[in-house]
Amino acid sequence: DTGVSQNPRHKITKRGQNVTFRCDPISEHNRLYWYRQTLGQGPEFLTYFQNEAQLEKSRLLSDRFSAERPKGSFSTLEIQRTEQGDSAMYLCASSDGLRSNEQFFGPGTRLTVL
Amino acid sequence: EDQVTQSPEALRLQEGESSSLNCSYTVSGLRGLFWYRQDPGKGPEFLFTLYSAGEEKEKERLKATLTKKESFLHITAPKPEDSATYLCAVQAKYNFNKFYFGSGTKLNVKP
Repeated sequence: DTGVSQNPRHKITKRGQNVTFRCDPISEHNRLYWYRQTLGQGPEFLTYFQNEAQLEKSRLLSDRFSAERPKGSFSTLEIQRTEQGDSAMYLCASSDGLRSNEQFFGPGTRLTVL
Repeated sequence: EDQVTQSPEALRLQEGESSSLNCSYTVSGLRGLFWYRQDPGKGPEFLFTLYSAGEEKEKERLKATLTKKESFLHITAPKPEDSATYLCAVQAKYNFNKFYFGSGTKLNVKP
């Protein structure tokens, strides 16, 4: 296992379309996080899973965003009816909750909404 | 509200010129403070975790320190390969599920 992977790496879509991103965490990690990062800013927390349970969701996250982690393995983040303001890098991170609370980040999916 | 502020926003150093980056935080009970390095187009890479005031961690040319209100990342004799954005994040005792990140300091080390 070489780390956290995310697909696709880039996504260009038209306003109003739905998009789905996938994150495959490090296999033994039970904790999974989604973040959004815009240019010049730090990652902004979106949601957190422990195994298959979604335990935390940012109040900034609109109803157009939904995330799942079936069977506590990979996770998907869906954005419905995309808006130009959704353009950002979407980062996934995983952790085993031990060892210094270290989060391992994936390379991200860059979304561009036209 | 929990908040993390990093300064400066950008820093240009000559190779070998030591300096420090600052991370000021406001959180209702700190569980942990984290430093990450982020290269362009990549996800952040973990550097350190600090848990209590007075704690220090070192890794090669980097040294992180923590007080009750802020953390410093000291860079000693930096090299061009240290150029990156350095991010600070905090985790609160009352909620282990969230991490709050600062906007980062973009470091550029010139040869």
